[in-house]
Amino acid sequence: AQSVTQLGSHVSVSEGALVLLRCNYSSSVPPYLFWYVQYPNQGLQLLLKYTSAATLVKGINGFEAEFKKSETSFHLTKPSAHMSDAAEYFCAVSPYTGGFKTIFGAGTRLFVKA
Amino acid sequence: EAGVTQSPTHLIKTRGQQATLRCSPISGHTSVYWYQQALGLGLQFLLWYDEGEERNRGNFPPRFSGRQFPNYSSELNVNALELEDSALYLCASSPQSYNEQFFGPGTRLTVL
Repeated sequence: AQSVTQLGSHVSVSEGALVLLRCNYSSSVPPYLFWYVQYPNQGLQLLLKYTSAATLVKGINGFEAEFKKSETSFHLTKPSAHMSDAAEYFCAVSPYTGGFKTIFGAGTRLFVKA
Repeated sequence: EAGVTQSPTHLIKTRGQQATLRCSPISGHTSVYWYQQALGLGLQFLLWYDEGEERNRGNFPPRFSGRQFPNYSSELNVNALELEDSALYLCASSPQSYNEQFFGPGTRLTVL
């Protein structure tokens, strides 16, 4: 069985500050891990994915995430927040590279203050 | 390349009515997935269609149903609407069964 927990339903940062969105997973098999972003009134867009290659994964828009097996974590970071980063972010886990068994977290809404 | 499209964008119904939502996958994609995104609950898996067949369904009552057409487009039907069915319904497609999913913009269903 798989599950994912996103710590913090809301995160607020100042423009230019570090963004850290936390995700912990549980999986009985080697996981594939994903981060998606959802802008208002839009669908989900894939930011990055971990597929058992490099543990540090770089994605679009300057985001990156590090897979830490010992901590069962896959936290999302960005060194400097931009106003356009304000959105909802979803962490997801799957036993495959995608598909119906993908389990999504409840989401973290990121607010960026000027 | 056109992305996943969904129609309508918004749908307002009253309790007890039926709603039909439509999805067109990316060209060449054979798998279509439906998710319900209710406020504060994240994405809940509803249905998966591949090559015209329902392959799996999530933990939803039978009044949630759908189908996939020969051109791989899909529709989701919700019968006997209840207030708690109000949500954003997202459709996603993938080129094969267990590949990366690409999401559409969603249909916002409001049940009054």
